[in-house]
Amino acid sequence: GENVEQHPSTLSVQEGDSAVIKCTYSDSASNYFPWYKQELGKGPQLIIDIRSNVGEKKDQRIAVTLNKTAKHFSLHITETQPEDSAVYFCAASNPYNQGGKLIFGQGTELSVKP
Amino acid sequence: DTGVSQNPRHKITKRGQNVTFRCDPISEHNRLYWYRQTLGQGPEFLTYFQNEAQLEKSRLLSDRFSAERPKGSFSTLEIQRTEQGDSAMYLCASSVNGNTIYFGEGSWLTVV
Repeated sequence: GENVEQHPSTLSVQEGDSAVIKCTYSDSASNYFPWYKQELGKGPQLIIDIRSNVGEKKDQRIAVTLNKTAKHFSLHITETQPEDSAVYFCAASNPYNQGGKLIFGQGTELSVKP
Repeated sequence: DTGVSQNPRHKITKRGQNVTFRCDPISEHNRLYWYRQTLGQGPEFLTYFQNEAQLEKSRLLSDRFSAERPKGSFSTLEIQRTEQGDSAMYLCASSVNGNTIYFGEGSWLTVV
């Protein structure tokens, strides 16, 4: 089955700096890669996603890149703000197999210091 | 609010008691998922429904766990004879055919 590895587990940056979180996946059939932000006591909130037919996607300060050959994808947050502090999870799935269930990475706790 | 709704948000129960959680998915979403999350870990898949049919169950879902989605709309997750190891956040999510999965705010279970 699919396995997703996420690094780093913790990341501390100064406000205004960039943050990068990386994930690798094992199943070459996975073709959908969402990123979720989770604040304390709340459910995961979808912030951006990418499908395998696209190499990069950007939404304001957030961007995701996908390298299908190497089976890794990354989340880039530019001009970080204190409200970006949260736990970020990457995930992988194949919507056409096994119901599209998501396999999650272990999470990255991002701390943005003002 | 038209997002995924879960209740109760918090439940404290004594070991051995039964608990039930309810999930109301986003309207028209045909797939509904249950996940479990413990502190410091990512969500782990438990089971999913396509309309009213339960199509896959994880090995994490022991015989004490049962989930239903009787009319293809809301779903319930029941845990019988709760154990301390069942303490976790139970997350419900929904999607249309497995695309773009949205999560609810979760139901916290504490077994004492």
